[in-house]
Amino acid sequence: DTGVSQDPRHKITKRGQNVTFRCDPISEHNRLYWYRQTLGQGPEFLTYFQNEAQLEKSRLLSDRFSAERPKGSFSTLEIQRTEQGDSAMYLCASSPVDRGKLFFGSGTQLSVL
Amino acid sequence: AQRVTQPEKLLSVFKGAPVELKCNYSYSGSPELFWYVQYSRQRLQLLLRHISRESIKGFTADLNKGETSFHLKKPFAQEEDSAMYYCALSGSGTYKYIFGTGTRLKVLA
Repeated sequence: DTGVSQDPRHKITKRGQNVTFRCDPISEHNRLYWYRQTLGQGPEFLTYFQNEAQLEKSRLLSDRFSAERPKGSFSTLEIQRTEQGDSAMYLCASSPVDRGKLFFGSGTQLSVL
Repeated sequence: AQRVTQPEKLLSVFKGAPVELKCNYSYSGSPELFWYVQYSRQRLQLLLRHISRESIKGFTADLNKGETSFHLKKPFAQEEDSAMYYCALSGSGTYKYIFGTGTRLKVLA
């Protein structure tokens, strides 16, 4: 088990394009989280899943953002019509039943030109 | 609303000196507090959580509900403690975790 895996590591796109990121959590972790982090800030909560159910989504999250976890295993985060303000590190984390222990991936660095 | 405040962006101390990283929170219910750490070129990882009441790498943190604080302390800083430290909060009835803006700790030789 190599931990939480995110793909790609880096993504450069032009404004207005759609992008999709993938996260593979640690096996048997039933909770999966997406966070966004910009320079000088802490991780900002976007959404989380318990198995395949999306239980909570940030009210600050634009409708251009959508996340799925179709079989309760890997997850995808899609951003439609990207804007320069979407440039950030997108972090995925998974968690077992044990509360509070989030295992983070290395993140996907998005740059919108 | 849930909020975590880390007032210091950067804290520099000399090796062997005591360290205190401040964390204050805002939450109306019964919170759970955590400290996460990110060493250079590594992933963000859990350092400790208040319910465990444990000491990890010499660090301790006590939840003070009266002052709504969860400061991280270590009596004698080591150079390998240099990292970004994030305080995080979760409330009852949710598994959402809110992070502070982080404090960069630099331990000088």
